[in-house]
This record gives sequence, C-alpha cells and structure tokens, in this order.
Amino acid sequence: AQSVAQPEDQVNVAEGNPLTVKCTYSVSGNPYLFWYVQYPNRGLQFLLKYITGDNLVKGSYGFEAEFNKSQTSFHLKKPSALVSDSALYFCAVRDRTGGFKTIFGAGTRLFVKA
Amino acid sequence: KAGVTQTPRYLIKTRGQQVTLSCSPISGHRSVSWYQQTPGQGLQFLFEYFSETQRNKGNFPGRFSGRQFSNSRSEMNVSTLELGDSALYLCASSLNRGLDNEQFFGPGTRLTVL
Repeated sequence: AQSVAQPEDQVNVAEGNPLTVKCTYSVSGNPYLFWYVQYPNRGLQFLLKYITGDNLVKGSYGFEAEFNKSQTSFHLKKPSALVSDSALYFCAVRDRTGGFKTIFGAGTRLFVKA
Repeated sequence: KAGVTQTPRYLIKTRGQQVTLSCSPISGHRSVSWYQQTPGQGLQFLFEYFSETQRNKGNFPGRFSGRQFSNSRSEMNVSTLELGDSALYLCASSLNRGLDNEQFFGPGTRLTVL
C-alpha cells in the first residue's frame, strides 16, 4: 500500500536561512511525488513534482526538492526562507498500483520568523 | 483561466440531514477528485471521477457519494450527517488521469455539523 510520512509537525526557521521539510514514502512501483502548499483558508497549491530523471527538481517560489530512491525520501528545500513562506506543506505520492489515487502526508507547518 | 470553484464556501447542518457540495473544475480539465481535510486525519481521498464515471474510491462509508456531469462539473453528497463529518471538503481537478498530472484545488467547502 502507498503511504507518505512527514515526520515533523512543525518546522521553525529564521528568515534568510535555508529550510528543509522532510518527506518519506512507500510505494510498490516507481513513485510519482508531489509537494503542495496550503495558505490559511485556501485550497492547496502545486509547488513541484518528481516523475523521472534528474533527482533535483525545481518548482515555484524558489522551492526545490531532492529525490533519493535509496532512502525513499523527497525532501523540500529552499536556500533562503521568507516570512511569506509560512504555511502548511503537504507531500503526496502516486504509483501505478494505486492509479490516480493520491496519498497525502499529514502536513508540516512551516514558521519563518523575521 | 478561472480556477476551481466550489459552492457553497460554508455550510452549517444538523445531524441526520444531508448535504450536496458542488465543484466546477478548470475549463478543459476532465478529472475531478474530492478530499476531506480534518485536523486529526489530515487530507483523506474520497473519490475521483473522470468522464462521468467514478474511477477510484477511498475508505469512506456509503453515506458519501458523488457524481460527475458531462461538462465535468461534479457534486458530492453526504447523507445522514454525523458530527464527525465536520471538515473542509476540497475538490481538485486535473487535465486528465496521467500519473504525472498535478492537481488544482478549489478553496474548499467548510461543513459544520451540529
């Protein structure tokens, strides 16, 4: 069965510092991995995805994510955090056995302090 | 291009009643998925529709149902409401059912069951 784990409920970082939001996954086949962000009282917004190819994926708003097959991880990163990055971040996965059904992690709340 | 719209945005019902939520996907998008978001359970997949057919279903009781119309608009219905059904219900659309397709989310309908 597919599953996604986001081990940190909350991540705190100072503005200007690098940030990392962690995600590990479990699927039967090759994973299709996604990151989404949710701002208060809004739906989720797509940030980036890994399908195949280069392990470092670049996305919106300066975010990037690193796919590591051996560690089954897909951590979200940004070199320099902004206060406006404060939000709830979700990692998600699909694979061929699950079809188009998307499994989301529990979410990680990011606080960026000025 | 207009985003995903959901109506109504807020809804208050009492136990035992039923409710219908509506979702209009982005123009040209043919796949619509529904999710329930709660603080305790996070984002849980309800079902997915494509070409007016339910293609995937999550682990929810039969009180939760949905449908999709020929213009890709979708509705979900919850009958015999329970207190535990209080949640944010999110609709997401995708161009098609490709595993690499990202989803575009609406702002959600916040349902409160009293």
